[in-house]
Amino acid sequence: QVQLQESGPGLVKPSETLSLICSVSGFSIPSADYWGWVRQPPGKGLEWIGSIYRGGGTYSNPSLKSRVTISLDTSKNQFSLSLNSVTAADTAVYYCARARGYCTDGTCSTWFDPWGQGTLVTVSS
Amino acid sequence: EIVLTQSPGTLSVSPGERATLSCRASQSVSSSYLAWYQQKPGQAPRLLIYDASSRATGIPDRFSGSGSGTDFTLTISRLEPEDFAVYYCQQYGSSPFTFGPGTKVDIK
Repeated sequence: QVQLQESGPGLVKPSETLSLICSVSGFSIPSADYWGWVRQPPGKGLEWIGSIYRGGGTYSNPSLKSRVTISLDTSKNQFSLSLNSVTAADTAVYYCARARGYCTDGTCSTWFDPWGQGTLVTVSS
Repeated sequence: EIVLTQSPGTLSVSPGERATLSCRASQSVSSSYLAWYQQKPGQAPRLLIYDASSRATGIPDRFSGSGSGTDFTLTISRLEPEDFAVYYCQQYGSSPFTFGPGTKVDIK
């Protein structure tokens, strides 16, 4: 049974970089095609951050512009998220998830299942 | 970007009754690439439905999804006490993947 667990600092200062790791157990990362990150500001809805594909290709939500980096560490069975130049608007619960779906001609369409329990990251000085 | 609108915002239902939740897209969702999730307080979302009408593994058959194009529906045929939660739709037919604002199903 695949399980995911997010880890990282719970408090980040404005203008700094938010870095999170998702540790995967019960499943080998290279065996899945896709992995992703989704966030949820307190009391609000869900926002897709970005996804990474087995071949290493990534793509992210344009709303986050070029602030997002997602990478795989297959030796540790983990994947990670970095979000730079954070502001208070980046305060949210961050979830990692296995992404499942379809890729055609380099374009992937995915839903998310399962999800990690989430980790709250607060941006504040 | 495809904007998803969910209605109603809150649905008050008695246990045993039927609940019908709507998700409307600002433009057609390619290949009916739409998913539904359930989220309870303090928990991560749980996948219920993908591809508009396929139930995820382990999801009871009282949950069903339908629709295509811009209009999608999640139906819970007979509400159980554990079904009171917030439900989100997500489209993955085009990037960026987007979620609806959610429908809260609470006890009448």
